[in-house]
Amino acid sequence: DSGVTQTPKHLITATGQRVTLRCSPRSGDLSVYWYQQSLDQGLQFLIQYYNGEERAKGNILERFSAQQFPDLHSELNLSSLELGDSALYFCASSFRTGANEKLFFGSGTQLSVL
Amino acid sequence: QKEVEQDPGPLSVPEGAIVSLNCTYSNSAFQYFMWYRQYSRKGPELLMYTYSSGNKEDGRFTAQVDKSSKYISLFIRDSQPSDSATYLCAMQRTGGGADGLTFGKGTHLIIQP
Repeated sequence: DSGVTQTPKHLITATGQRVTLRCSPRSGDLSVYWYQQSLDQGLQFLIQYYNGEERAKGNILERFSAQQFPDLHSELNLSSLELGDSALYFCASSFRTGANEKLFFGSGTQLSVL
Repeated sequence: QKEVEQDPGPLSVPEGAIVSLNCTYSNSAFQYFMWYRQYSRKGPELLMYTYSSGNKEDGRFTAQVDKSSKYISLFIRDSQPSDSATYLCAMQRTGGGADGLTFGKGTHLIIQP
């Protein structure tokens, strides 16, 4: 068990809808990262927050947004969902931020858009 | 050419065999090299972490980095059925944050009992 908690484990929704994925980092970790994993693209970095502030942005669509709250949990909001958004979404956390930080991943949320 | 290339497999070997997993990369700025193990329906788990070139050993696992060839390897000795998983290489450049961490697509490994 990595100590990173993600809910829900599975989400089934329809095109055009909006969903929220939730992540609680390991105790003491200040940094939260969101990744999308699909068979064709592999693991793709979306966005990182550090102590409540956005730190880095990757291949995140404008329809997606995230935030980190004062208690350090994070939420990833996906709106106007399309079939192609179906994927595994992972949250990871680390103590700090930087080039040599070790990331600990949650078990992911499997999103299916029908 | 993708920044990190990894053969997706599947790679199937008998129990007890030595397994060799590899990644090649094109960005010479990568300095930190990692191997993650991912079981089905689980998140990636950090297995090995090395900085720059050289070897690192941890139990049955050995990670090798050859920066001159832009080639990294993970060896698993005395492989067990519980080693069956997808193995992802990851690498990061100096000064790079999360946006600088690049993953391979993963190799699916099957250890036959």
